[in-house]
Amino acid sequence: SQQGEEDPQALSIQEGENATMNCSYKTSINNLQWYRQNSGRGLVHLILIRSNEREKHSGRLRVTLDTSKKSSSLLITASRAADTASYFCATDANNQGGKLIFGQGTELSVKP
Amino acid sequence: EADIYQTPRYLVIGTGKKITLECSQTMGHDKMYWYQQDPGMELHLIHYSYGVNSTEKGDLSSESTVSRIRTEHFPLTLESARPSHTSQYLCASSTIDSNQPQHFGDGTRLSIL
Repeated sequence: SQQGEEDPQALSIQEGENATMNCSYKTSINNLQWYRQNSGRGLVHLILIRSNEREKHSGRLRVTLDTSKKSSSLLITASRAADTASYFCATDANNQGGKLIFGQGTELSVKP
Repeated sequence: EADIYQTPRYLVIGTGKKITLECSQTMGHDKMYWYQQDPGMELHLIHYSYGVNSTEKGDLSSESTVSRIRTEHFPLTLESARPSHTSQYLCASSTIDSNQPQHFGDGTRLSIL
């Protein structure tokens, strides 16, 4: 079974709007990571949030983590057409030796 | 940008051929990984390595094999390719600190006819 599940599966917004993606997981974690994947490319790391952190920012990105609900969200503010990509959450579960388990991803389309 | 390279980027080849997908990193990372990803789907870990001469199977069963003779090099081999092996294969590396992210190559898109 998947450790990480994301919703929505697809999201289409206009430039300038905010985009929120959610990730839920099942077991206790060491950290949760968000990655971005442009079509036909590899993944690029965005933000890592540790289990003892609740919120992290990086530029226009804000990640929250609620370990009691086993969920995380990624907010992209003031979106741009260049933000169009797939976004994946990945969990580093405890006692898994640093292996990541990826969610199915959210496909974000930002229309100019 | 991460210094991890995969070749070839695309490969279309017939059934029964032996294939080696190359992955090299210049960051001195101890950990390396191979993932399989179908279009629009999540990544599945098929192999990983914690250092030279260390290889382990991942969570998704795969008929491929890997080797880690040098720190920077982690090739994946399919002895006899089949259409069911058609997929994208992504290589990644990281330090031993699990609170550091993985760095990914651009992948090899493999099509077996």
